Amino acid sequence: QKEVEQNSGPLSVPEGAIASLNCTYSDRGSQSFFWYRQYSGKSPELIMFIYSNGDKEDGRFTAQLNKASQYVSLLIRDSQPSDSATYLCAVTLGSQGNLIFGKGTKLSVKP
Amino acid sequence: GAVVSQHPSRVICKSGTSVKIECRSLDFQATTMFWYRQFPKQSLMLMATSNEGSKATYEQGVEKDKFLINHASLTLSTLTVTSAHPEDSSFYICSANTRTSGGAGDTQYFGPGTRLTVL
Repeated sequence: QKEVEQNSGPLSVPEGAIASLNCTYSDRGSQSFFWYRQYSGKSPELIMFIYSNGDKEDGRFTAQLNKASQYVSLLIRDSQPSDSATYLCAVTLGSQGNLIFGKGTKLSVKP
Repeated sequence: GAVVSQHPSRVICKSGTSVKIECRSLDFQATTMFWYRQFPKQSLMLMATSNEGSKATYEQGVEKDKFLINHASLTLSTLTVTSAHPEDSSFYICSANTRTSGGAGDTQYFGPGTRLTVL
């Protein structure tokens, strides 16, 4: 059974702090890794994707991938109350691009 | 990013009726689309993978005769919930794959979802 594990949270950080969200996956053959943000009652919205080991930065967001440790993370710098949402880690499975999702980490940014 | 639309955004129907949900990729062609269901406070559950011009692949436990999927073109997939019952009330979300430039594969973009309430 291929799995993606996330801490369900809630993770609470003060406004302006760095939020660190973590994810581990079981399938060593996974190639593509995604972070989605889902506000309550809304559908997931793509934040970032990463394919190569190391860091990838996009604005306040940095994705980190370590394939040897089967670990992917998302850092959110200068966290804002509007960042409060559930963050879903997803890993590609198979040739059709099916995604396996983690259960999500709920982030709460306190003003 | 790529845009995926869904229609309707919200539907309320009586038990026993059928409901059709449309999913469109607006600015790209999608050979593969996906249908998910999400119950309140639960994670996304993949229902089926839909490929243009072929039969959908359903996940274990999803009744293919109840959830009819048609992927008639590279920009349109439909999900029909047949003979809907209150337990089918949920948030139905479609997504579509598009190839990511410079990446190692496809990226999946989600539609805004359809909230179904069966009375």
